[in-house]
Amino acid sequence: EAQVTQNPRYLITVTGKKLTVTCSQNMNHEYMSWYRQDPGLGLRQIYYSMNVEVTDKGDVPEGYKVSRKEKRNFPLILESPSPNQTSLYFCASSPDNWDRVRSRETQYFGPGTRLLVL
Amino acid sequence: EDQVTQSPEALRLQEGESSSLNCSYTVSGLRGLFWYRQDPGKGPEFLFTLYSAGEEKEKERLKATLTKKESFLHITAPKPEDSATYLCAVQAAGDYKLSFGAGTTVTVRA
Repeated sequence: EAQVTQNPRYLITVTGKKLTVTCSQNMNHEYMSWYRQDPGLGLRQIYYSMNVEVTDKGDVPEGYKVSRKEKRNFPLILESPSPNQTSLYFCASSPDNWDRVRSRETQYFGPGTRLLVL
Repeated sequence: EDQVTQSPEALRLQEGESSSLNCSYTVSGLRGLFWYRQDPGKGPEFLFTLYSAGEEKEKERLKATLTKKESFLHITAPKPEDSATYLCAVQAAGDYKLSFGAGTTVTVRA
């Protein structure tokens, strides 16, 4: 089954304690990205990756790091979490050529990680 | 900068009462406009991709249309299971970022 998985699904932590949220996809997609979702603000992109070892900032990258050492994995790292990073996080993936082949689906989303930073 | 504005923010419908959701966008060259459905606490679920003005797509009670400035998601004779937040997003030509609207929360009462 084609899917994007995230772990953990729920996380409560304290300010300053480093954490990593993992994201994995089994569709051999080139493109992966991270979003955060906050009430009234919609989904905002944090970082994205166009392929292995190629990453770039999205709209709200401050306080986050990412890496793409393998095509299937794209972890999100919070080196020193703060309360304003309390949010619902989604990982997504898509094939690079979705518009040229008119793929039925574009971006596949993971189930989300709900993070609370105290 | 790409902008996506969805209206209304919330919509309460009686079962069977058809309505439309609006997504206005500005983008420098449209690669695609997308509609997603999101249930509480879950990831967005893909509904449609529209590529060019005049295009229409349908799925069950949902129909999406696209003009050069906006897209509409029409819900025909909705049922309670259509209750969800509907998200619109655009991707510009040559870009990889999706810009999302804030969504429209639809509640359908039996």
